[in-house]
Amino acid sequence: QKEVEQNSGPLSVPEGAIASLNCTYSDRGSQSFFWYRQYSGKSPELIMSIYSNGDKEDGRFTAQLNKASQYVSLLIRDSQPSDSATYLCAGGPWDTGFQKLVFGTGTRLLVSP
Amino acid sequence: DAGVIQSPRHEVTEMGQEVTLRCKPISGHDYLFWYRQTMMRGLELLIYFNNNVPIDDSGMPEDRFSAKMPNASFSTLKIQPSEPRDSAVYFCASSLIVNEQFFGPGTRLTVL
Repeated sequence: QKEVEQNSGPLSVPEGAIASLNCTYSDRGSQSFFWYRQYSGKSPELIMSIYSNGDKEDGRFTAQLNKASQYVSLLIRDSQPSDSATYLCAGGPWDTGFQKLVFGTGTRLLVSP
Repeated sequence: DAGVIQSPRHEVTEMGQEVTLRCKPISGHDYLFWYRQTMMRGLELLIYFNNNVPIDDSGMPEDRFSAKMPNASFSTLKIQPSEPRDSAVYFCASSLIVNEQFFGPGTRLTVL
């Protein structure tokens, strides 16, 4: 069973702090990883994708991938109350050409003013 | 540009009834996905299509579930007969670039 594991949280951080969200995966064949943000009662929204080891930055968001440790993380700098949501980590196995994503159950982030 | 469109947004039905969920993908996207989300199991992929052809239906829970994509702009997910354990939010998503999936607003299904 290919799995993606996340701490369900909630992760509470004060406004302006760095929020660090983590994810581990079991399938060494996974080649692509994604972070989706899901507000309560809404659909998942893609915010970051990462395909190679290292860091990828986009505005206040930085995704980090370490394939040797099977570990993916998302850092949110200068956290805002509007960042409060559930963050889903997803991985794409190699054998399906990346289309079949396996999602974690998500980490709930609470940013307090 | 319209995103993924799903209907209905909410469906309440009684056990044993047939339920049909509908999805219109983003124009030009050639992959379409059906997901189910529950608190207990999270987001699960049920089936996905490429160019209207089902590629992987291994996530479909049982024979009561079926999905079709008769053309590039329309797909259905049918549950017959429905059971209370089918209650969940069902999402449709589409993609063009590999794995950058765009989700529809979802259908919240309640089976009494």
